[in-house]
Order: sequence, then C-alpha cells, then structure tokens
Amino acid sequence: QSVLTQPPSVSAAPGQKVTISCSGSSSNIGNNVVSWYQQLPGRAPKLLIYDSDKRLSGIPDRFSGSRSGTSATLGITGLQTGDEADYYCGTWDNSLTTYVFGTGTEVAVL
Amino acid sequence: EVQLVESGGGLVQPGGSLKLVCAASGFNFSYYWMSWVRQAPGKGPEWVASINQDETVRYFVDSVKGRFTTSRDNAKDSLFLQMSSLRVDDTAIYYCFCPRVGWGQGTPVIVSS
Repeated sequence: QSVLTQPPSVSAAPGQKVTISCSGSSSNIGNNVVSWYQQLPGRAPKLLIYDSDKRLSGIPDRFSGSRSGTSATLGITGLQTGDEADYYCGTWDNSLTTYVFGTGTEVAVL
Repeated sequence: EVQLVESGGGLVQPGGSLKLVCAASGFNFSYYWMSWVRQAPGKGPEWVASINQDETVRYFVDSVKGRFTTSRDNAKDSLFLQMSSLRVDDTAIYYCFCPRVGWGQGTPVIVSS
C-alpha cells in the first residue's frame, strides 16, 4: 500500500483542464521534491516534472507541477487524446528510506 | 539527448541469478543518485534500490535485501543490478531510473521453472 495517495481516475473533454493530486506526509512530500511520470499504455514511464515544478526539456507547457505542504499537484491544460495515460507522483520518504510512488491516476479524455 | 539503456534481462529459474546493466548517456551521470525500479504486469512501479554518487550509500526495498545489490562505474557511465536467489515474484520489467533525469526503456526479468 503506497504512502502517496492519488485519485484513481480523472477525466475531461478535449481542450479542458485536469488536475491530479498526490497526498503524502511530512516524511515525504512535506520535506522532499516531487516528480511526476506519465505512462502511456504498453510503454515505459516518462518523466514530466521534477523538483516539484520543473518541466523536463521537451515537455509541453500544458503540463505543470506544484507542491504545497504535504501535497503535490499535476495540472494538464488543453487536454488531448494523446494524454490518455496513467500518471504517477514520486518522492523520497525520509522515514522509510525508500523512494515511494503514488497509487497512480488514469486520465481519460471524453 | 538523455538516454538510459538497460540490458541483461531474461528468463531464469527460481533461485537463479541475473545481472542487469544500465548504460547512461547525455547527462552528467556521476552527479546523480541512480535507482532501479520494477513494474510487474498490471501493477504500478515499485522502487527497488538506489545508490549514491560514490557508492558509499545504498538503499534497498525490504523484499530484495540480502539478495540484490547495486553498483556503478562512473568512468563508464554505467549502473548495475546484481540479482540472486531470484523468486517468482521478482518477475517484472526492470527500469534504470533517476527522478531528475528520466527512465530507461526497461528490460524484462521472468523468473519461472
């Protein structure tokens, strides 16, 4: 059972915006930076956001990340069918001394 | 362009061993902690191990402690995962991973008799 909680799924129409939350604690998100990963069906995960709010080179500015307290958020604007994927947050947990991933969120474009 | 390329996966019997290799390029490999992550079919990613820049610190998930070890060669921009006493539940795609750089394409490990 993951220590980072995400909603199982979010959905919106093409062109709309979705946000994905990642809820943790002081031992992980509260004191460490967060990364966000996209996993398209049948593909390897791909890094989108690192250090909580920095986009990897080549990632469209439709993707954004933020962190506040013990939670982090991934935003996707201008939703496209190609954005349909599973999204995971991840960070280090100081108490567990492990890297932890979120439970994962499936994004559907209606 | 950042690249992480894993190799060494395959089919192995329970109790067997495998050594995975990750070849890195396009970034300053020696600057970063590096990690291994695995993903079983239909499951989310599971962190396996991390190693610091000069190999003085290593962390492992409890389920692999005593069976897996990780090392690196900064001169060759390479990361290694030595797996022994493999079990059926170690079956997964194994990825080389750095949270600030990216992921490899993965190499499959199948433990089956």
